[in-house]
Amino acid sequence: DAKTTQPPSMDCAEGRAANLPCNHSTISGNEYVYWYRQIHSQGPQYIIHGLKNNETNEMASLIITEDRKSSTLILPHATLRDTAVYYCIVSDYSGTYKYIFGTGTRLKVLA
Amino acid sequence: NAGVTQTPKFQVLKTGQSMTLQCAQDMNHNSMYWYRQDPGMGLRLIYYSASEGTTDKGEVPNGYNVSRLNKREFSLRLESAAPSQTSVYFCASSEAVGQNYGYTFGSGTRLTVV
Repeated sequence: DAKTTQPPSMDCAEGRAANLPCNHSTISGNEYVYWYRQIHSQGPQYIIHGLKNNETNEMASLIITEDRKSSTLILPHATLRDTAVYYCIVSDYSGTYKYIFGTGTRLKVLA
Repeated sequence: NAGVTQTPKFQVLKTGQSMTLQCAQDMNHNSMYWYRQDPGMGLRLIYYSASEGTTDKGEVPNGYNVSRLNKREFSLRLESAAPSQTSVYFCASSEAVGQNYGYTFGSGTRLTVV
């Protein structure tokens, strides 16, 4: 079973920040937090990942709480093209990084 | 373009037929994976290969076999297709041992078993 819990759906106004929460209360010390998104029925796309510190790249920011039991993916200026299903995954290295997906959050960006 | 290539993109099978889904990556990744995605659901891991020469079962391996043909190629075989295997199948690959740069996914194979 997936180790993460996400709200099934969220709406966000175009141009506003989209904040997508994820609960991973049973995360272990070596597990990373990953975020992916899936637009329509395409293959999932990597967004960002982190271990303890907050991370930022050209797509998004990842905020991980100090106790690492939850995180938030922030899309700073959402556009209509950000409408997708967003998956939060935790995984550690055991020969490879094996992902168990949950059902994700369906984000709809509204014009 | 570099990435993960899956063939075929679409396939219709009759119950009991067999087929092999092909996956190839040109990024020199060590690890490769097969997932299935049913309508309205998240992805479920079928099999994975942490490195060339190794394969392991994932969450839902029953009814499937895999072959890591070489470092580039990882195939998924359905020996006797069943309607319950109607799904979209995604192949993915990831970086070398110990490196952590996320997965690259293919565009999927849409399989219908009638």
